[in-house]
Amino acid sequence: GEDVEQSLFLSVREGDSSVINCTYTDSSSTYLYWYKQEPGAGLQLLTYIFSNMDMKQDQRLTVLLNKKDKHLSLRIADTQTGDSAIYFCAETADTGRRALTFGSGTRLQVQP
Amino acid sequence: GAVVSQHPSWVICKSGTSVKIECRSLDFQATTMFWYRQFPKQSLMLMATSNEGSKATYEQGVEKDKFLINHASLTLSTLTVTSAHPEDSSFYICSASGRGLQNIQYFGAGTRLSVL
Repeated sequence: GEDVEQSLFLSVREGDSSVINCTYTDSSSTYLYWYKQEPGAGLQLLTYIFSNMDMKQDQRLTVLLNKKDKHLSLRIADTQTGDSAIYFCAETADTGRRALTFGSGTRLQVQP
Repeated sequence: GAVVSQHPSWVICKSGTSVKIECRSLDFQATTMFWYRQFPKQSLMLMATSNEGSKATYEQGVEKDKFLINHASLTLSTLTVTSAHPEDSSFYICSASGRGLQNIQYFGAGTRLSVL
């Protein structure tokens, strides 16, 4: 079945860039997402990328996709303390109604 | 973006009672809704997929008689945890996708269920 893997923890200093990595196994993955979850809250969609794209930038967020290696990354520029949260990578294939397969989540800790 | 409202946000109940959780799409028609369960410090595990007007499809290991899902309209799905027990205590999150949303799922804020 599908598998999505992420590193569990990342610590950065405020103002630095954060890079969160994700690998997936499903070659039919068409949509790849990054969600943010703050303690006790639901998931907030941060950004997404289609498999026919290599890069997508949205303000401080940059998503890079290496489809050959099935590797996805999220770069947060000028990381702030408010960015501290768990970041989930998720994927789904283009079958319209399939649920997302989530990674285990990466806990980002931003130190002042 | 699209908004999904989930209620209640937190419920505490006694063992043996049933609890209903609502998931509503506020500004779009949700042709498909998903119910996930999340244990502390873990990722989301899909419980079931619900298409409007049809029976939900449950993932392996999820008891359909225990977790009743209804998706009677394009804006509302409900999850009822029947005869809840302490092991059902968890964080339940719904998501919804609809036409024109490019296969994106929008999530509710989640419901924390504590069964005493």
